[in-house]
Amino acid sequence: NAGVMQNPRHLVRRRGQEARLRCSPMKGHSHVYWYRQLPEEGLKFMVYLQKENIIDESGMPKERFSAEFPKEGPSILRIQQVVRGDSAAYFCASSGQGGDEQFFGPGTRLTVL
Amino acid sequence: KNQVEQSPQSLIILEGKNCTLQCNYTVSPFSNLRWYKQDTGRGPVSLTIMTFSENTKSNGRYTATLDADTKQSSLHITASQLSDSASYICVVRFQTGANNLFFGTGTRLTVIP
Repeated sequence: NAGVMQNPRHLVRRRGQEARLRCSPMKGHSHVYWYRQLPEEGLKFMVYLQKENIIDESGMPKERFSAEFPKEGPSILRIQQVVRGDSAAYFCASSGQGGDEQFFGPGTRLTVL
Repeated sequence: KNQVEQSPQSLIILEGKNCTLQCNYTVSPFSNLRWYKQDTGRGPVSLTIMTFSENTKSNGRYTATLDADTKQSSLHITASQLSDSASYICVVRFQTGANNLFFGTGTRLTVIP
C-alpha cells in the first residue's frame, strides 16, 4: 500500500510564474490536508479538502492560492504569480473516513528565484 | 488561545545518551496528542498517540508521557542513535471541528558520535 505521494519533490519557479503541486493520498483515503513549512518553522495548516469539496481553507492566503481535490486524480495546490516569500516546503497529508491519524507525504520544496 | 509549545528548540547529545523533549499545550477540550518524527527533507511520521486517559506509551526506545491535568507531555529517547537526529513535533488534536490539529514548532535533535 503506497503512502502519500507528492510531486514534484523539488520545484523552481521565477517570480510571477505559476506553481502546481500534486498530492495523491493513500489508497482508500478521501481527506487531504495541505501544510506549509517555512525554514526553521513548524507546519502551518493551509487547507483541508474531501473529494470535490473544500472543507476548511482558513489557513490559505486569499489571493494567488487555490486548491482542489477532484473526483478523479490527485489533489492540486496551485500558486499563481509566485513571489520569493512563497519559497517553502509544502506537505500534503491524507486520512481515512474517521479522520484521525494523518499520514504525510514527503513534501514539495518550492524555490522562487 | 489554543497553542502548543515545545522545548528546547534544539538539542545536541552524544550517541548513546538519553534525552527528554517537552511539550506544553493549552488546547481545550483535548482529544489526543501525537509525537511525530520528521527527518530532514521528509514528511513527519507518527511515533506515538496518547489519549486523555493514558499516562505513558512506548514505541521502542521512544517513551511518551502525558499529564492531562498540567497539559504537559514529554518524549524520552533512550540510548540515542545517530538516526534519531531529526525534528520531533508535538501535535495536539482539539475535540471538535473538521480540521482541529495544533502543531508545535518542534525540537531539532542532533545526535553526534
